[in-house]
Amino acid sequence: GAVVSQHPSRVICKSGTSVKIECRSLDFQATTMFWYRQFPKQSLMLMATSNEGSKATYEQGVEKDKFLINHASLTLSTLTVTSAHPEDSSFYICSALDTSTNEKLFFGSGTQLSVL
Amino acid sequence: GQNIDQPTEMTATEGAIVQINCTYQTSGFNGLFWYQQHAGEAPTFLSYNVLDGLEEKGRFSSFLSRSKGYSYLLLKELQMKDSASYLCLNYGGATNKLIFGTGTLLAVQP
Repeated sequence: GAVVSQHPSRVICKSGTSVKIECRSLDFQATTMFWYRQFPKQSLMLMATSNEGSKATYEQGVEKDKFLINHASLTLSTLTVTSAHPEDSSFYICSALDTSTNEKLFFGSGTQLSVL
Repeated sequence: GQNIDQPTEMTATEGAIVQINCTYQTSGFNGLFWYQQHAGEAPTFLSYNVLDGLEEKGRFSSFLSRSKGYSYLLLKELQMKDSASYLCLNYGGATNKLIFGTGTLLAVQP
């Protein structure tokens, strides 16, 4: 079946640095990808919808200048957490929409970000 | 508005059957997903319902009624490893809008 690759799986960084997370659809083209964050014992929270070739649509309360999303190709979307702070520490997950199959939505394996 | 409601927590006994309900109110509808998520891991696909009715996949079944805005996930012969969060997601409309439920944390007890 279709696979979405996300990396890195874990990153530890100092406060004030920027972190880039990549999400790739490996065997299908994804015109739409989604980015989420998840705090312990809570559900996924949709951060933004990323559409290839256009600007991402951010959910209310998500700072677009803080969380930069680029979806420059049909198989790659990136999320950059700029000037990360400890409160940005979270589990970040991407998913990609495959309109050619009934399974439709595939998730990456997630990135655990820890900001010191 | 657009929202999805599902219970936040449920408890069931190993070997039993449990039904997790999901109701939704959304402006568009293409289909409804159910995902299973264990703590610290990405969600894994369980089912995707587009048409009304029951779809069965082994121990898991999913039901959809579009007219009622209602779905449920049925888990049979519960095993301890079924303890996880179960997410109901609505994929709807021309804008590819994805609406989440809060997830139902299922605890399976011996």
